[in-house]
Amino acid sequence: GENVEQHPSTLSVQEGDSAVIKCTYSDSASNYFPWYKQELGKGPQLIIDIRSNVGEKKDQRIAVTLNKTAKHFSLHITETQPEDSAVYFCAASKNDYKLSFGAGTTVTVRA
Amino acid sequence: ETGVTQTPRHLVMGMTNKKSLKCEQHLGHNAMYWYKQSAKKPLELMFVYNFKEQTENNSVPSRFSPECPNSSHLFLHLHTLQPEDSALYLCASSQDPKGDYGYTFGSGTRLTVV
Repeated sequence: GENVEQHPSTLSVQEGDSAVIKCTYSDSASNYFPWYKQELGKGPQLIIDIRSNVGEKKDQRIAVTLNKTAKHFSLHITETQPEDSAVYFCAASKNDYKLSFGAGTTVTVRA
Repeated sequence: ETGVTQTPRHLVMGMTNKKSLKCEQHLGHNAMYWYKQSAKKPLELMFVYNFKEQTENNSVPSRFSPECPNSSHLFLHLHTLQPEDSALYLCASSQDPKGDYGYTFGSGTRLTVV
């Protein structure tokens, strides 16, 4: 089955700086790559996703890039704010209902 | 609120107890899922239901028994659990069984087995 690896496991950034989280996947047939944000005491919430026919997608301060050849995709958060502190999960799917998740990255934004 | 409601939020149970977790969604989604979230590990898919029919059992021990009476409700019945079953149990739903419109998660039930 699909194996998704996520790095780093923890990330501390100064407020205003950028944060980058990287994920790799094993199944070249995967074509859907969502990112989830989980705040303390809540379930994961979809923040952005990308499909295999697109190389980059941006939504305000959040962007995701996809390199299908290398089988990796990344989440970029610019101008980080304290409310960006959370656990972020990447996931991959090959057009079925089984999303495979990474282990998560705990992001801490220092004021 | 995300539209997916889970109850209870917290549950402490002994190894000989029987309890049930409940999940409810009114988003009009057709697929519902149970996930287990343990510390420092990826989310583990447990069960998938599509139009209230179970389509996936990811090698889950029989001490976990799901029930889906309709497309809006999902239960997870628990009995004779082990301490290692302590985790956050998340319910999710999606618009279609492909899940490629993204999952909507509930806030989870924090389960502690003593």
